[in-house]
Amino acid sequence: DAGITQSPRHKVTETGTPVTLRCHQTENHRYMYWYRQDPGHGLRLIHYSYGVKDTDKGEVSDGYSVSRSKTEDFLLTLESATSSQTSVYFCAISESGRGETQYFGPGTRLLVL
Amino acid sequence: GENVEQHPSTLSVQEGDSAVIKCTYSDSASNYFPWYKQELGKGPQLIIDIRSNVGEKKDQRIAVTLNKTAKHFSLHITETQPEDSAVYFCAALLRSGGGADGLTFGKGTHLIIQP
Repeated sequence: DAGITQSPRHKVTETGTPVTLRCHQTENHRYMYWYRQDPGHGLRLIHYSYGVKDTDKGEVSDGYSVSRSKTEDFLLTLESATSSQTSVYFCAISESGRGETQYFGPGTRLLVL
Repeated sequence: GENVEQHPSTLSVQEGDSAVIKCTYSDSASNYFPWYKQELGKGPQLIIDIRSNVGEKKDQRIAVTLNKTAKHFSLHITETQPEDSAVYFCAALLRSGGGADGLTFGKGTHLIIQP
């Protein structure tokens, strides 16, 4: 998985609780992305980062926030989890060009009850 | 934004035969088209990609073709093997000035290799 780890790998939480997912890379790549994968929707971009403290919204950013204080770490926070945020979350990284050659992590399976 | 359609959703082929998966995209400004393979319980794995200034690219048994005029691109796998069984996703990259440079994905094709 190209030096990408995600934690936790599985999480069950209750509606209304905050949740933070972590993506950690050892490749020193500039760009990092968060996607969610749902049946019937494929993968959709939530947020992305183009450098430390530089982030922007993706297609499905409502209800999510991100932070990147170090090159190697990109955090995704669900401020108040809802059942519609039950999904598999993937982090991706890329070095060459904006958006090209993205490598994905192993994913975090999140269940919101 | 970009919209990517992928067909078929399921494809079953005999081992040794070829498989073709097709995608269409909506925005002619898209200029990068990767293909990913995803095995059960794992993250998507980049297997091949093509840029809009190239019509075809090959890597061993895998090839991708791009028709910019028709706005479609295809994945070709020859001499299929059991380990090719997986879900395959196409994607397109539409760069915008200040917006997201994430990929827009198709909904996936479940490729089944029959022994």
